[in-house]
Amino acid sequence: GAVVSQHPSWVICKSGTSVKIECRSLDFQATTMFWYRQFPKQSLMLMATSNEGSKATYEQGVEKDKFLINHASLTLSTLTVTSAHPEDSSFYICRGVTSGRNNEQFFGPGTRLTVL
Amino acid sequence: AQSVTQLGSHVSVSEGALVLLRCNYSSSVPPYLFWYVQYPNQGLQLLLKYTSAATLVKGINGFEAEFKKSETSFHLTKPSAHMSDAAEYFCAVSVSGNTPLVFGKGTRLSVIA
Repeated sequence: GAVVSQHPSWVICKSGTSVKIECRSLDFQATTMFWYRQFPKQSLMLMATSNEGSKATYEQGVEKDKFLINHASLTLSTLTVTSAHPEDSSFYICRGVTSGRNNEQFFGPGTRLTVL
Repeated sequence: AQSVTQLGSHVSVSEGALVLLRCNYSSSVPPYLFWYVQYPNQGLQLLLKYTSAATLVKGINGFEAEFKKSETSFHLTKPSAHMSDAAEYFCAVSVSGNTPLVFGKGTRLSVIA
C-alpha cells in the first residue's frame, strides 16, 4: 500500500518555540491533506484540510495563525506550531488523499509533540 | 453532519473469546465506514472499510464488520481474540473517500490470558 511518512516522529521543545512537522506521501500524489490531533486517551480531532496550492481550511476552534499549514506540493504538507505552549502537547497525524486510486486515503505514523 | 458513537470505552475479553466492538453512526447520506486500530504511541492502521459494496466486510487480522442500515450500525467482530489484539479501536465515518473522517471516541480492547 501507499506510504505516508511524518518527520519528526517525536519532538520535545521549550514553550514559546515553533515546531515544524512534515508529512510526505512517498509513492502517490496527495491532492488533499488532512491534519488531526489526538490528546492523550482521546480520539482524533480534525484540525484542518488543505488542498495542494490552496490555503488550508481550519475547523472551528483551531487558530489558523498558530497552526500554519502549507501544502505547496502534491507530496509534501507541513504543519508549523508557532509559539508552542504545553497545552499544544499532543499527537499530530496527517492523512493524505489521492484523486487516483479511487480516492484512497493513507495516514501518517504521527508526530508526538511535547512542549515543556 | 455525521457522527459516530462507540458503545463502551473499554472492553475486556478472554483470549480465544469472541470480540465485539460496537459502532453506531449518523449520516444524512450513504456513509463510508471505517475501523482503525491504534497501538500505544503509534499511528492508525486500517482494519477494514465499507464503501457501499458488500455489507459484510472482511478485514485484516481476522476482523470483520457488518453494515446494517436499518440499525445504523457497523459493529466489529473477531471470532477468537489474541493477546496481540489488545489496542485502541476507532470507528470512523465519512461521506466519500476524500472527505474528512469523523471518529468515534474509541474503545480500548483488553485481552486476558
